[in-house]
Amino acid sequence: SQQGEEDPQALSIQEGENATMNCSYKTSINNLQWYRQNSGRGLVHLILIRSNEREKHSGRLRVTLDTSKKSSSLLITASRAADTASYFCATDPKSSGDKLTFGTGTRLAVRP
Amino acid sequence: KAGVTQTPRYLIKTRGQQVTLSCSPISGHRSVSWYQQTPGQGLQFLFEYFSETQRNKGNFPGRFSGRQFSNSRSEMNVSTLELGDSALYLCASSHGDREGQPQHFGDGTRLSIL
Repeated sequence: SQQGEEDPQALSIQEGENATMNCSYKTSINNLQWYRQNSGRGLVHLILIRSNEREKHSGRLRVTLDTSKKSSSLLITASRAADTASYFCATDPKSSGDKLTFGTGTRLAVRP
Repeated sequence: KAGVTQTPRYLIKTRGQQVTLSCSPISGHRSVSWYQQTPGQGLQFLFEYFSETQRNKGNFPGRFSGRQFSNSRSEMNVSTLELGDSALYLCASSHGDREGQPQHFGDGTRLSIL
């Protein structure tokens, strides 16, 4: 089952604008990860935020985590055409019976 | 360092056949996980192998099986193929020895069932 649900499903912005994607999940987690997938390729790990962290930065990426609301957001600042891809959140649940579970993804298109 | 390698990249099979997919993890990684990606269901976890043992399993029928060799390379087998098995099959590796390690993905095998 899908642990994470991303919102929006699709996003189209102009180069230079910021892009924000949201992820909601259902169970307690150890950490939450964001991945990117270019068309026809595998996923690439972007950033990991642990359950005791509230915000994390990596280059033009900013991730927030609100465990009380069971939600996370990924902000890409000053977007570039090369950022066009699908973005997935993945939750590492505390339940030992489950493995990393991916959300439904947000398709981001950045217009040059 | 070489990345995760999956072979073959593309495969066409017919219903009822079986197929074996291969995954070579990053050197030093002992955990290999397999995922099925379809437009309708998204990314679904199949199973994870660590040091030649299946450590986790998703909710897939017994037609889906896997194994891992002593060099950490892994294979996934699907028997009695159905049209619904058409998907991109991704494998991912990690050290797997503690929580919070990112998964490193291959580019997948695109399986089409006719």
